[in-house]
Amino acid sequence: GAGVSQTPSNKVTEKGKYVELRCDPISGHTALYWYRQSLGQGPEFLIYFQGTGAADDSGLPNDRFFAVRPEGSVSTLKIQRTERGDSAVYLCASSRQGVYNEQFFGPGTRLTVL
Amino acid sequence: AQSVTQPDIHITVSEGASLELRCNYSYGATPYLFWYVQSPGQGLQLLLKYFSGDTLVQGIKGFEAEFKRSQSSFNLRKPSVHWSDAAEYFCAVGSIQGAQKLVFGQGTRLTINP
Repeated sequence: GAGVSQTPSNKVTEKGKYVELRCDPISGHTALYWYRQSLGQGPEFLIYFQGTGAADDSGLPNDRFFAVRPEGSVSTLKIQRTERGDSAVYLCASSRQGVYNEQFFGPGTRLTVL
Repeated sequence: AQSVTQPDIHITVSEGASLELRCNYSYGATPYLFWYVQSPGQGLQLLLKYFSGDTLVQGIKGFEAEFKRSQSSFNLRKPSVHWSDAAEYFCAVGSIQGAQKLVFGQGTRLTINP
């Protein structure tokens, strides 16, 4: 079956602009996660959805970052007033409901802020 | 808060040689431990996980890992590496409290010499 998909695969934007990154999870997966991976680092947790609600957004770095999942499937990560430090690969993962079911990762969106 | 240390940023081994990648974690309770592999252009893939029980866990692609509570370690091993094992390897820790977010180490890049 289809895995987690993320669009776009690459996004180049200018400092101060607004961007949206999309994640399509595996069908039937109720849990969805966003991570950010900077160059040479491991993924860093941003936010976790269980269904439509954000169960944990403690990893969002500041109020410029926001994520939604209005129908409990597709999720959008929104970044306002982008800064050069936001440049990274943004990873999305999904899993079945339950304690630490395997998180399946998408290929990521590489965001470059000029 | 949980943390993970992967002491080796880059390791080179010859094809057919044995491999051990080190992972040390910091967490006050029994951790949930994971190893993921990330190949160029691919999403993160789960190799194996430890929740409880037998401290030696078997994973995919011939990998295994051993949980040692006394050393706070969860090292990944493979008896004989193949050229296709060249990739970035990440150790991660999770907790039962709160959300099911993973805390990743910074990764170990594995290079295979022919």
